[in-house]
Amino acid sequence: NAGVTQTPKFRVLKTGQSMTLLCAQDMNHEYMYWYRQDPGMGLRLIHYSVGEGTTAKGEVPDGYNVSRLKKQNFLLGLESAAPSQTSVYFCASSFPGNTIYFGEGSWLTVV
Amino acid sequence: AQSVTQPDIHITVSEGASLELRCNYSYGATPYLFWYVQSPGQGLQLLLKYFSGDTLVQGIKGFEAEFKRSQSSFNLRKPSVHWSDAAEYFCAVGASGGGADGLTFGKGTHLIIQP
Repeated sequence: NAGVTQTPKFRVLKTGQSMTLLCAQDMNHEYMYWYRQDPGMGLRLIHYSVGEGTTAKGEVPDGYNVSRLKKQNFLLGLESAAPSQTSVYFCASSFPGNTIYFGEGSWLTVV
Repeated sequence: AQSVTQPDIHITVSEGASLELRCNYSYGATPYLFWYVQSPGQGLQLLLKYFSGDTLVQGIKGFEAEFKRSQSSFNLRKPSVHWSDAAEYFCAVGASGGGADGLTFGKGTHLIIQP
């Protein structure tokens, strides 16, 4: 049971570098989400998608871009990484109005 | 705008004692309510959810939660905690009827279990 899979799990970036986090779900969910988790802040929504080819901004979208070219994949890009983007990133997916399932997280450090 | 408040940042409970974690929400419509648990270095696991119907919901690992609309609360309870329950607990609220913009999370409550 794969569910929601995130790659990579760990990454260290230098300031100004770019990278892409990949999220894949095998549950045929329409909705997909990217959250970031910071100490004492809970989880905050970065971007989300309600279907293939659609994306929308969440609570903290600045510095990130996303794409949903295939229904099962949701990519999160950092064009020019900053130390403030050091965080744990969680991808999630769901059917409309239903339980949201989370991946296991991607730990990103920007130095 | 919707919001979730978990008033207790840390809670310490003795093993075998009862537990109640508080959650208050602010939401303009009928909410979907969730409790998730996160062990160190792990993702989020769904403990239980409330969509409609019976206001007392049962979840996994012996947890339950009660939805009280008049108090805008969704407190999590367990009659007897085990050392393995030590973790971070998150309450979350979302839109009923299929809201696409995900969940709004509280900042979490860190549960410590004393032997």
